[in-house]
Amino acid sequence: DAKTTQPPSMDCAEGRAANLPCNHSTISGNEYVYWYRQIHSQGPQYIIHGLKNNETNEMASLIITEDRKSSTLILPHATLRDTAVYYCIALWIKAAGNKLTFGGGTRVLVKP
Amino acid sequence: EAQVTQNPRYLITVTGKKLTVTCSQNMNHEYMSWYRQDPGLGLRQIYYSMNVEVTDKGDVPEGYKVSRKEKRNFPLILESPSPNQTSLYFCASSLRASGVHSYEQYFGPGTRLTVT
Repeated sequence: DAKTTQPPSMDCAEGRAANLPCNHSTISGNEYVYWYRQIHSQGPQYIIHGLKNNETNEMASLIITEDRKSSTLILPHATLRDTAVYYCIALWIKAAGNKLTFGGGTRVLVKP
Repeated sequence: EAQVTQNPRYLITVTGKKLTVTCSQNMNHEYMSWYRQDPGLGLRQIYYSMNVEVTDKGDVPEGYKVSRKEKRNFPLILESPSPNQTSLYFCASSLRASGVHSYEQYFGPGTRLTVT
């Protein structure tokens, strides 16, 4: 699985969009980009994933650059409950195991 | 409500006293997995199950046992707990055991285990 790099922390104002960058410059053509978040000591929560095209669901949008070397997770209207550590991971879909391994992530603090 | 439940949420025990952490999901998911999370070491997979009666080792299986007799349940057994098994444990499940969507995993709330 390709290495990903994220800023260690960022602040965001409540009600504003939060744009979380992720660099995955060594990603291969078969690797997907997944985003998870973990609110303090709670179970990780799946957010979204994508391969090439931009994706949107009820939680967030994922923008992947055309060369796939980086992506941005967008929380359109951040709330205090979005304060969490956000993890970007690049995954090659394997036949078995399906394990998730999180790196350092970005600690997002949403401020009133 | 679709969810993964774990019990107990908190447990303090002594070395050598057998314990079981239960995990149950109500979403008819094929795949289930146990992870432990430790400061500085991140999330590590202990065991996983692709379906009923199909289990396999993850990265750190030593000292743990699992079983999958029913689709909804995947208990984690510590036959003889030791202090190095003090950790935060998460159970996870996904609808499919393979493919892209197998990585959309739903996690339980966690079990904080302390072994003295």
